[in-house]
Amino acid sequence: RKEVEQDPGPFNVPEGATVAFNCTYSNSASQSFFWYRQDCRKEPKLLMSVYSSGNEDGRFTAQLNRASQYISLLIRDSKLSDSATYLCVVNAGGGADGLTFGKGTHLIIQP
Amino acid sequence: NAGVMQNPRHLVRRRGQEARLRCSPMKGHSHVYWYRQLPEEGLKFMVYLQKENIIDESGMPKERFSAEFPKEGPSILRIQQVVRGDSAAYFCASSPTGGDFQAFFGQGTRLTVV
Repeated sequence: RKEVEQDPGPFNVPEGATVAFNCTYSNSASQSFFWYRQDCRKEPKLLMSVYSSGNEDGRFTAQLNRASQYISLLIRDSKLSDSATYLCVVNAGGGADGLTFGKGTHLIIQP
Repeated sequence: NAGVMQNPRHLVRRRGQEARLRCSPMKGHSHVYWYRQLPEEGLKFMVYLQKENIIDESGMPKERFSAEFPKEGPSILRIQQVVRGDSAAYFCASSPTGGDFQAFFGQGTRLTVV
């Protein structure tokens, strides 16, 4: 299976700051990209899909760079509730591979 | 519309026993994925199933592990003769189609082997 790489962190960030994560993927045929959020001992939940044109949802912005094969997530005005592990997820398409998860980046927002 | 339901939420087994983990996908979803998460690790793909078919089991250990998704009833992940290293959280996800999709996860089953 193809790999998805993330910096595990932890990222310790003061409340209100802006933080960015990157994720690289090795399969150039990958077609769909997502960011999931996982709270401690809970199931992963979809945060946002990542489109070729980039997309924004409130304080969260996701970007895709196909040429360099990386995905980014930017969180502005971070809140204490943003503390979680953020998982980069790639689907190579074709229906057979399912989702490939990165190991996640651990974010800690400090008051 | 209930989400993905996994049971049991917690399962304790002694070494050598069998563990059966169940996953009922969301209504209308015919694709099921099983993932394993070891402590302090990321999620690892195990197996991808559609009704009555195993599509991709490249992440399944060759021995002791099996999965099924019958025409009726939940998907079952079965671990025979469990060992301590099988202790992990097992998550099931479902989707309406394969390919480009957003997977919805169950709350997971935490297996502890003592």
